[in-house]
Amino acid sequence: SQELEQSPQSLIVQEGKNLTINCTSSKTLYGLYWYKQKYGEGLIFLMMLQKGGEEKSHEKITAKLDEKKQQSSLHITASQPSHAGIYLCGAVRSGGSNYKLTFGKGTLLTVNP
Amino acid sequence: EAGVTQFPSHSVIEKGQTVTLRCDPISGHDNLYWYRRVMGKEIKFLLHFVKESKQDESGMPNNRFLAERTGGTYSTLKVQPAELEDSGVYFCASSQGYGFLSGNTIYFGEGSWLTVV
Repeated sequence: SQELEQSPQSLIVQEGKNLTINCTSSKTLYGLYWYKQKYGEGLIFLMMLQKGGEEKSHEKITAKLDEKKQQSSLHITASQPSHAGIYLCGAVRSGGSNYKLTFGKGTLLTVNP
Repeated sequence: EAGVTQFPSHSVIEKGQTVTLRCDPISGHDNLYWYRRVMGKEIKFLLHFVKESKQDESGMPNNRFLAERTGGTYSTLKVQPAELEDSGVYFCASSQGYGFLSGNTIYFGEGSWLTVV
C-alpha cells in the first residue's frame, strides 16, 4: 500500500463550489507540503504545515494538519477555473532535513465554468 | 527573481541513447534535488546535493543515472543508456536551507518530460 494516500483521485466541481482534498499517511508525518501542478508549469508551492493542528490560508485555499499529524486536508472556497490542476501532498518524514519528500499520487481537480 | 529552470522541457530519444537534463536552481540556493515521476506512479526522490556534494543519492534507480553539480551551481542528470522505463517527468527542486523546522521551502521547476521510444 502507498505511504501517502490522496482522496479523491479526481474531482469535478462547478465554479463557485467548495471542495476538500485529503492526504492521509500510514505513518506519522513530521510535516507536509502542498503543491499544485499544471501542465508546463511544474509544481507550484502552496503551503507548508509543520505542527499538529496547524492551519494556513492563502487566498481561497486553506490547508490543515490534524493533531495526530497523520492527515492533512486542503479546502478551496468558491472554486474558480484557475484552481484546476493536480494537487499534490508531499510528506516530510524525518526531523532534521526537509529534503526527501514522499508524495501522494495527486488529486486531479477540474472546475467547470 | 528567476525560479528553478530546467532544460530541455521535452525530449524524445531512442532506447540506448543518452540524454542529459539540466537544472538551474534559484540563485543562492545551496540545496538542489532531483525527483521523477514515471507514468502512473507518484513523484519519487532521486538525490540531493548540498552545494557540489551529493548528500543523499539513495533514490537513484541504477548506475545508468549520473548526476553532477560542478561548482555548486547548476546540475545535470545524465541517463546513459536510456531504457523505455526511464520515460517520465524529471523534476528539479531547490531550497535555501536544509532544515524543515527552519521553514525552508522547496521550490520545484517545470520538469523535463522524457520519452524513450
